[in-house]
Amino acid sequence: DTGVSQDPRHKITKRGQNVTFRCDPISEHNRLYWYRQTLGQGPEFLTYFQNEAQLEKSRLLSDRFSAERPKGSFSTLEIQRTEQGDSAMYLCASSRKRGADAEAFFGQGTRLTVV
Amino acid sequence: GNSVTQMEGPVTLSEEAFLTINCTYTATGYPSLFWYVQYPGEGLQLLLKATKADDKGSNKGFEATYRKETTSFHLEKGSVQVSDSAVYFCALSDWGSGNTGKLIFGQGTTLQVKP
Repeated sequence: DTGVSQDPRHKITKRGQNVTFRCDPISEHNRLYWYRQTLGQGPEFLTYFQNEAQLEKSRLLSDRFSAERPKGSFSTLEIQRTEQGDSAMYLCASSRKRGADAEAFFGQGTRLTVV
Repeated sequence: GNSVTQMEGPVTLSEEAFLTINCTYTATGYPSLFWYVQYPGEGLQLLLKATKADDKGSNKGFEATYRKETTSFHLEKGSVQVSDSAVYFCALSDWGSGNTGKLIFGQGTTLQVKP
């Protein structure tokens, strides 16, 4: 159990460029979540996968955002035509259980800066 | 919709002082409640949780009791240490009605403990 891994840890990009982040969940965790955290705020839910199926998307996830989880293992989050307002920490979390006792394990996040 | 409200920070205490961080929630179902901690430069870690009314979660000297009547989950510690300096997030997860178990976070409270 090596924990949730996210790559890269930091990304600086120019406005209008596309970026892609990767998340490797804890092995055998079939539930995967993406969150966004801006400075001074708590994380906000973006999207949820159960195995390879994307079952819920937040209204925060505009059409410039897309997430995938092929084969139910790692996941990618792509942002097209980045804007300065996309600058934030993008967090991935995974969980194995369902129900009241479920615990989500978080990665260290990818910090995106759009200049 | 579901929401979490935390007391605003920063909270600055001297070592060995008593800590309370207030958290109240609004939920339509019967959520589980969590406290997560984020140390400088690290990812979110689960500190403690409670899954039903009157449950008390505890870990590392921290405690919080699930109070349904006051919709609260206040975090307490009897004697804080410098190493407790971090950002603390209150969160809820509602698995009812096919919910995905996503977490709804408060805005976070920064705790600074001085020697």
